Formats: sequence, structure tokens, C-alpha cells
Amino acid sequence: GDSVTQMEGPVTLSEEAFLTINCTYTATGYPSLFWYVQYPGEGLQLLLKATKADDKGSNKGFEATYRKETTSFHLEKGSVQVSDSAVYFCALEGGATNKLIFGTGTLLAVQP
Amino acid sequence: DAGITQSPRYKITETGRQVTLMCHQTWSHSYMFWYRQDLGHGLRLIYYSAAADITDKGEVPDGYVVSRSKTENFPLTLESATRSQTSVYFCASTQGEGVGYTFGSGTRLTVV
Repeated sequence: GDSVTQMEGPVTLSEEAFLTINCTYTATGYPSLFWYVQYPGEGLQLLLKATKADDKGSNKGFEATYRKETTSFHLEKGSVQVSDSAVYFCALEGGATNKLIFGTGTLLAVQP
Repeated sequence: DAGITQSPRYKITETGRQVTLMCHQTWSHSYMFWYRQDLGHGLRLIYYSAAADITDKGEVPDGYVVSRSKTENFPLTLESATRSQTSVYFCASTQGEGVGYTFGSGTRLTVV
């Protein structure tokens, strides 16, 4: 079945460092791909999305490109801030029922 | 206010009791979902609904019951709570494919 694999955390970075969180997927067909962010004590918020191959999703300085050839959707940011500290979830949406399948999440901790 | 609202925010219940978690959305989204979030497992789908009176099982439905008599409400009932159902529960909704979900703030349930 469909699945999402994302890199284990926690990821600890200094402020202004470059961020990459890897995400790969297995799916039949051509799913839509998403990154969600969860701040402490809150629900998940949609960060960015891409609905077809080679699409680049971007928001708040974060970017991810839908790579069909490598079945990947890696999250990147050029310069992280302390306020980016959160758990990041990669997800795919496939099939007729719009169900989202999530990775296990990656905790990002940014230190000043 | 427009949005998706979960209640209660926190709940402590005893083993064997029935408990209902409420979810209400104001957009008339067709699709609604219940997930549970546990450390090491990410988010797992319990039940989903494509429209009023249409529900289906997700990945971990055992011990849970849902109903959807109105488009805007999607309550989740634990028929006889067990300690393994201690978790954070999130409700979500979406209008369709490729749009992404909107999540509620979650209900933290503790079964003692």
C-alpha cells in the first residue's frame, strides 16, 4: 500500500542554518504531496503542497519539489529561525477518498 | 467563527466508560477524518467520511464508532475505553483532492 518515509529526528540546528528534511513515498498513481507543521500543543497546519510532478510548493521560506523519478518531496529552508522549531510531517493523498497518509514526523529544534 | 472545532480539549475517563469526542466544521466540507497521534506512530487514520451518512474505516478503527447525520458534525465514540486508547485525537476536513486538510486543535484523552 501507499506509504511515506521521512528522516528520523530530532534535527537540531543553529539559527540561520540550512534545513533539509528528507521525505520519500511509495504510491500507485500520482498522489498529491504535502508538508504539515505542528507547533507544541497545537494541531497540524498545512505548510505547502504540490499536486503533480516537478511542482514546487513554497511558503514562509520553506520549499519542496515533487520529484517523481526519485519519489521524493524533501523540505528545505535556507535560513531557519528559532520560531521554526516544531514537528514536520510529510504526507501523501491518494485514491478516490482523499485520505492522507502521514510519515512519522521529524522534530526540528533550532537553537539561538 | 469559521473553522473546525473539537471538544473537549482535554478529557480523563476511566477504563470501560463510553466517551464521545466532538468535531464541528463550518465550511460544509464534504470529507471529514479522525486521526490519533501517538509517539513513534505519527498520525493514524481511525475513520473517515465522504459525506453525510457515508463513513468508512481507516487504519485503526477497532473500539471506535462514528456517525455523520449532518455534514458539519462528525463525532467519534469510544464504546468502552481502554488504556491503549490514551492518545491525542485530531479531526480534519477537506473539500476535495489536492486542497489539503484543515485540522482541529485536538483532544487529549487519558484513560485511567
